Amino acid sequence: GAGVSQSPRYKVAKRGQDVALRCDPISGHVSLFWYQQALGQGPEFLTYFQNEAQLDKSGLPSDRFFAERPEGSVSTLKIQRTQQEDSAVYLCASSPRQGAGTEAFFGQGTRLTVV
Amino acid sequence: AQSVTQLDSHVSVSEGTPVLLRCNYSSSYSPSLFWYVQHPNKGLQLLLKYTSAATLVKGINGFEAEFKKSETSFHLTKPSAHMSDAAEYFCVVGGYSTLTFGKGTMLLVSP
Repeated sequence: GAGVSQSPRYKVAKRGQDVALRCDPISGHVSLFWYQQALGQGPEFLTYFQNEAQLDKSGLPSDRFFAERPEGSVSTLKIQRTQQEDSAVYLCASSPRQGAGTEAFFGQGTRLTVV
Repeated sequence: AQSVTQLDSHVSVSEGTPVLLRCNYSSSYSPSLFWYVQHPNKGLQLLLKYTSAATLVKGINGFEAEFKKSETSFHLTKPSAHMSDAAEYFCVVGGYSTLTFGKGTMLLVSP
């Protein structure tokens, strides 16, 4: 496809359940980012990949959050033992160049609701 | 370290009148600055970007922004609002591995 694709678009999880969110970046894009957007807030940085290397994971809120991009294309964000405070929209973005100094293209996000 | 402050959480204008969305930033080096727009149930879309080539940046849909280093500002303007401009707007500063977003300004456009 032409843009960044995220799946599922909506996910309802019971508290304590593990979830996996998928991101298909634009083909050939080097950089991939994950962001968390709580209701009424701006997106907050979670983690950054340059190809398959996770260069920055400083934004991951706890060790229940884990991200991978094993072949430098598709990425998965996994949340273990979900909590209500994990409810948010999770955004994925990709960029054709290294780093965040150039424009990033965002997917439509996955809305996670933990009940 | 970098940060962004959007000075207004909501801005209301009438269709056909000018738009001004204010943004101040803090960065320890020469920043990359962006404005993104988010329509309901749609992804974030880049409006424009500043990367030190010119201080006045023109974007899509008639928007433009001026980088003022002395004021650490990057305000977004449009001469004449259209109903379709109603959305949330984010000012963003780019670092090496992160984009730091402001809290957003909701633009309301009335007929």
